[in-house]
Amino acid sequence: KNQVEQSPQSLIILEGKNCTLQCNYTVSPFSNLRWYKQDTGRGPVSLTIMTFSENTKSNGRYTATLDADTKQSSLHITASQLSDSASYICVVTSYFSGGYNKLIFGAGTRLAVHP
Amino acid sequence: SQTIHQWPATLVQPVGSPLSLECTVEGTSNPNLYWYRQAAGRGLQLLFYSVGIGQISSEVPQNLSASRPQDRQFILSSKKLLLSDSGFYLCAFQRSGANVLTFGAGSRLTVL
Repeated sequence: KNQVEQSPQSLIILEGKNCTLQCNYTVSPFSNLRWYKQDTGRGPVSLTIMTFSENTKSNGRYTATLDADTKQSSLHITASQLSDSASYICVVTSYFSGGYNKLIFGAGTRLAVHP
Repeated sequence: SQTIHQWPATLVQPVGSPLSLECTVEGTSNPNLYWYRQAAGRGLQLLFYSVGIGQISSEVPQNLSASRPQDRQFILSSKKLLLSDSGFYLCAFQRSGANVLTFGAGSRLTVL
């Protein structure tokens, strides 16, 4: 069964601290993995995308890693800011014929950054 | 640039009333279009997707329906809302050949 599991469910950190969010998946065939940031009451916005051959990708203070062998990904946030408070969603894509991409969403990690 | 508009942003409806959520995309042609529902603490659930005008595929049986009357317009409807239809609905598009989904701002539906 195709699944994406994220941990922790929620996390509280102090402003300026670092944190790491985890994503484990059992999706086949695997095409890519993407991390989204979703502010409360808004649609998700893509942070990074990683394909099978990529191990690390950075986007500012966000660094994503991918281990395709163990089917694990992490999102590391450096020097957190209050604006980082949001839900972070891990999404794994499988390609299907006909141009339709099947996306499997994790439940997300809700991050709260406190001053 | 491509943009996606979704409305209304919030909606409170009584049980048994009809529903219409609308989504339009600008700046691209023949996009794949998607409707998702997000329940609190759960991952996004795909409701419908469309690869072309009039082509609608449903992922889960439910009280809702979708239509694509124009290339860049996607509508989510219901004839009679149920309490269980409450939730946060997200429209998304994927540009042809791309592998990223761009989401709308979402519509929060409360059925009372």
